[in-house]
Amino acid sequence: AQSVTQPDIHITVSEGASLELRCNYSYGATPYLFWYVQSPGQGLQLLLKYFSGDTLVQGIKGFEAEFKRSQSSFNLRKPSVHWSDAAEYFCAVGNFGNEKLTFGTGTRLTIIP
Amino acid sequence: EAQVTQNPRYLITVTGKKLTVTCSQNMNHEYMSWYRQDPGLGLRQIYYSMNVEVTDKGDVPEGYKVSRKEKRNFPLILESPSPNQTSLYFCASSPGRYNEQFFGPGTRLTVL
Repeated sequence: AQSVTQPDIHITVSEGASLELRCNYSYGATPYLFWYVQSPGQGLQLLLKYFSGDTLVQGIKGFEAEFKRSQSSFNLRKPSVHWSDAAEYFCAVGNFGNEKLTFGTGTRLTIIP
Repeated sequence: EAQVTQNPRYLITVTGKKLTVTCSQNMNHEYMSWYRQDPGLGLRQIYYSMNVEVTDKGDVPEGYKVSRKEKRNFPLILESPSPNQTSLYFCASSPGRYNEQFFGPGTRLTVL
């Protein structure tokens, strides 16, 4: 069964600092991957996605993620965070071959001035 | 505006009283899904539907029912709610398999 691990439950970063949120997946087949963001009291918004091709993908709000098959990872990065980036971030993994999308448990991001 | 709508947004009910949470999308999407979100557990899929009259169980289907009689609607039915179904519920839709999902605003359900 496929699984997704986001090892950091909560991360605190200073405004203007760089950010990396980790995501590791476990599945033998070819995955497709997403990062979603959930602001307080809101639904989930897609940040970026990877299906194939270039392993470095760009998303909205200045985010990017890199798919590393050898490490089974899809980490999310941003060079300089803004206070408005405070939210919860979810990594999700699907598998070509079934309709199932598995979400990680989320990483809550706090931004300090 | 392309969107997924859910109703109600907030619901407080009592154990055993049947309820339905509606979900509707106006994007002509084939795929629809229900998730529940609980602290520390992320989102877990309850049921999904590939198209009209085609539904299947997700990871946590016990205590829930769904139906897909029309393409745009995918209601979630709790025949006899229990306190452990207190959660935040999200409906999502997608153009098809292997596509990004578009989420509704969520329904916060409390079962007393």
